[in-house]
Amino acid sequence: DTEVTQTPKHLVMGMTNKKSLKCEQHMGHRAMYWYKQKAKKPPELMFVYSYEKLSINESVPSRFSPECPNSSLLNLHLHALQPEDSALYLCASSQRADRSYEQYFGPGTRLTVT
Amino acid sequence: GQQVMQIPQYQHVQEGEDFTTYCNSSTTLSNIQWYKQRPGGHPVFLIQLVKSGEVKKQKRLTFQFGEAKKNSSLHITATQTTDVGTYFCAGPNGSGNTGKLIFGQGTTLQVKP
Repeated sequence: DTEVTQTPKHLVMGMTNKKSLKCEQHMGHRAMYWYKQKAKKPPELMFVYSYEKLSINESVPSRFSPECPNSSLLNLHLHALQPEDSALYLCASSQRADRSYEQYFGPGTRLTVT
Repeated sequence: GQQVMQIPQYQHVQEGEDFTTYCNSSTTLSNIQWYKQRPGGHPVFLIQLVKSGEVKKQKRLTFQFGEAKKNSSLHITATQTTDVGTYFCAGPNGSGNTGKLIFGQGTTLQVKP
């Protein structure tokens, strides 16, 4: 099973809402990633978790809060977002983060902030 | 900072024509990866090249890694409508021991039937 699942597929939220994005993989991967992708742009790395510990935060605003409850799950908690945060949010996983392994991406959550 | 540049940004071809996208890194890479993203989809891993001068083929797709490990190319022979999408190259950041990838800007391929 080489699938990464993400929920929800679409999310519309107001600037005062709190919501969470969820990601799951059952490949035994020990590295998980959150990316943000704007239209016609490459994925932009936000966070890396390695062995359930946050290893990279790409200076992401605190209104985005990641969480890795266990080796299969990754959440992204959203609070007080801005309209410019509207984008496709992709989760990915790889075997480990200490080497350059291929990354498996989920289908993404398309987020609209109103 | 480390950069990966990719050209062209867009390419429109007639079905059956060939297509090539080029990727250049500002630094020597330990490896390079290629991903394809269909319209409305998510990036899907295609291949990883590791060795200097390496050439790998997947059916009509040919991937090359330059001798200096700073450039790479993806060539598609006789394009089909199923090849439509954006192709990204990506190299590891720094020594590659963090999992972080530096993506090129992507080349979007349109194929006219």
